[in-house]
Amino acid sequence: SQKIEQNSEALNIQEGKTATLTCNYTNYSPAYLQWYRQDPGRGPVFLLLIRENEKEKRKERLKVTFDTTLKQSLFHITASQPADSATYLCAYTGTYKYTFGTGTRLKVLA
Amino acid sequence: GAVVSQHPSWVICKSGTSVKIECRSLDFQATTMFWYRQFPKQSLMLMATSNEGSKATYEQGVEKDKFLINHASLTLSTLTVTSAHPEDSSFYICSARDRGRISYNSPLHFGNGTRLTVT
Repeated sequence: SQKIEQNSEALNIQEGKTATLTCNYTNYSPAYLQWYRQDPGRGPVFLLLIRENEKEKRKERLKVTFDTTLKQSLFHITASQPADSATYLCAYTGTYKYTFGTGTRLKVLA
Repeated sequence: GAVVSQHPSWVICKSGTSVKIECRSLDFQATTMFWYRQFPKQSLMLMATSNEGSKATYEQGVEKDKFLINHASLTLSTLTVTSAHPEDSSFYICSARDRGRISYNSPLHFGNGTRLTVT
């Protein structure tokens, strides 16, 4: 069955460093991957979308890569801040359905 | 833009009663809305896809008679948990796609969820 996995359940990082989150998928070749941010007790918020023919996508301090050979997407937050602390979810779409990973809880330490 | 309002944000009910959760797209029309359930430290589990003017499509293992979905207009979908039991306690989140940006990779706009506690 199609699977999408985020290897790290939690990640602690010092303020100012670059946080790197990983999303791996199996048994599927999505044409698009999306990344969302979810704060406790809130719904996810869309951050970035990357297409399979795009190696990299940037938005301010965020960068997403998509490696179809490794079946992996990396999500980077540069110059991380305590306000970046949240759970980050990756997702892909197949036909009309969106499949979400389990998320990585990022904590940026001041 | 693209705001989804979900109410109530939390609700406590007694076992055996029914609870209705509303999901509204405030500044766009949503042909399709999705209902998710989320357990602590787990991902979003799709329960059903709600299509305006037609019956909802339920995921395998989700009881359609227990989780009633109505999508009466392009801006409103409701989820009713009927005869609630303590095991139905969870975080329920709705999401919607902008009708004007309909493609299968369109970003989802989420409500802020409803924390249901059944005592």
